[in-house]
Amino acid sequence: EVHLLESGGGLVQPGGSLRLSCAASGFTFYKYAMTWVRQAPGKGLEWVSSIGGRGASTYYADSVRGRFTISRDNSKDTLYLQMNSLSAEDTAIYYCVKSASGDYVNWFDPWGQGNLVIVSS
Amino acid sequence: DIQMTQSPSSLSASVGDRVTITCRASQGISSWLAWLQQKPGEAPKLLIYAASSLQNGVPSRFSGSGSGTDFTLTINSLQPEDFATYYCQQGYSFPITFGQGTRLDIK
Repeated sequence: EVHLLESGGGLVQPGGSLRLSCAASGFTFYKYAMTWVRQAPGKGLEWVSSIGGRGASTYYADSVRGRFTISRDNSKDTLYLQMNSLSAEDTAIYYCVKSASGDYVNWFDPWGQGNLVIVSS
Repeated sequence: DIQMTQSPSSLSASVGDRVTITCRASQGISSWLAWLQQKPGEAPKLLIYAASSLQNGVPSRFSGSGSGTDFTLTINSLQPEDFATYYCQQGYSFPITFGQGTRLDIK
């Protein structure tokens, strides 16, 4: 069974940094693209960033490009999201999601349980 | 960016009803569309991918159709556990985009 266990969220001041981690198990990690999706409180879903299975290809939403960095360590079956220059608009639950179709980023299944990031002074 | 527009934004229905939710893409996306279900306090769950393919384990009362720009999610014979928020999502190009969601409430 696939498991995605996120960690690293919490309260951070505006302008601060945070790194999210997502430990994966139950599948051959390097064969799948991975993605971060976020959801602001009471709002809809927003795609944040994706990374190919080998880590060579990365993609970002305009809202986070230049501030966030997605990466993965295939030796540890772990996905990361380094978030810098955080603002209140980044407050959200961040979901780690596995591509449902190998190294292609089109559908997401399953989703991790979510990790809350609050940016506030 | 491809804009995804769902309608209605909310609807009320009763157990046993048949409901349809529509999703329109701002440009053609072939069949690169997924439907997700999210219950309060839970992560989203993939229901339908490639516009009409049922994800493993999803009840057959859920079905999807459409291609190009217009898509529908149909739920036959609503069950109590189906009351949730539903999102469409395009997987055609970056940035990946979602519809605004349709909240399905019990009448």
